[in-house]
Amino acid sequence: KQEVTQIPAALSVPEGENLVLNCSFTDSAIYNLQWFRQDPGKGLTSLLLIQSSQREQTSGRLNASLDKSSGRSTLYIAASQPGDSATYLCAVRLEYGNKLVFGAGTILRVKS
Amino acid sequence: DADVTQTPRNRITKTGKRIMLECSQTKGHDRMYWYRQDPGLGLRLIYYSFDVKDINKGEISDGYSVSRQAQAKFSLSLESAIPNQTALYFCATALAGASGELFFGEGSRLTVL
Repeated sequence: KQEVTQIPAALSVPEGENLVLNCSFTDSAIYNLQWFRQDPGKGLTSLLLIQSSQREQTSGRLNASLDKSSGRSTLYIAASQPGDSATYLCAVRLEYGNKLVFGAGTILRVKS
Repeated sequence: DADVTQTPRNRITKTGKRIMLECSQTKGHDRMYWYRQDPGLGLRLIYYSFDVKDINKGEISDGYSVSRQAQAKFSLSLESAIPNQTALYFCATALAGASGELFFGEGSRLTVL
């Protein structure tokens, strides 16, 4: 059974700091991995999607990497801003059954 | 207007009542999903549908049923609500194909007293 773990569960950093969020998964048989952002009381917004054949994806200040063989992905946020404060979730799409399995998320707070 | 719309956004009900959560989308996606989110547990899949005639159980389907009325509409029902079904429920859509990116609605917060 695929399990997705996100570390740390919560993170508080000063504005301007570069930071890394971690996601690990137990079964490397995945099609892709997706990072989401969730604001309080809101739905999930897709940030980046990395196909299993890719190593990384970039969007603005965000960079996501994928090491399928070791079962790890990282989300790098450069020059963090208070507006980045949210919960960040990763999810892997399984090769079999075409399902998405989510991690529990990392709660990020960027202090001004 | 949102591409994926959920109604109601908030609902408080009593144990034993029947509840329906509705989802409609304007993205033209074939695939629709219902998830529930509980603190510390992440999102768990309840049901999913790849087209109007296709319904599949997810990992936590007991106590729930769904109906895919049209390509754009996918509703989730709790026939007899119980307190441990108190959660935040999300509808999501995706294009057909293994690499389809998932798009979420804003969520429906359900409280069962």
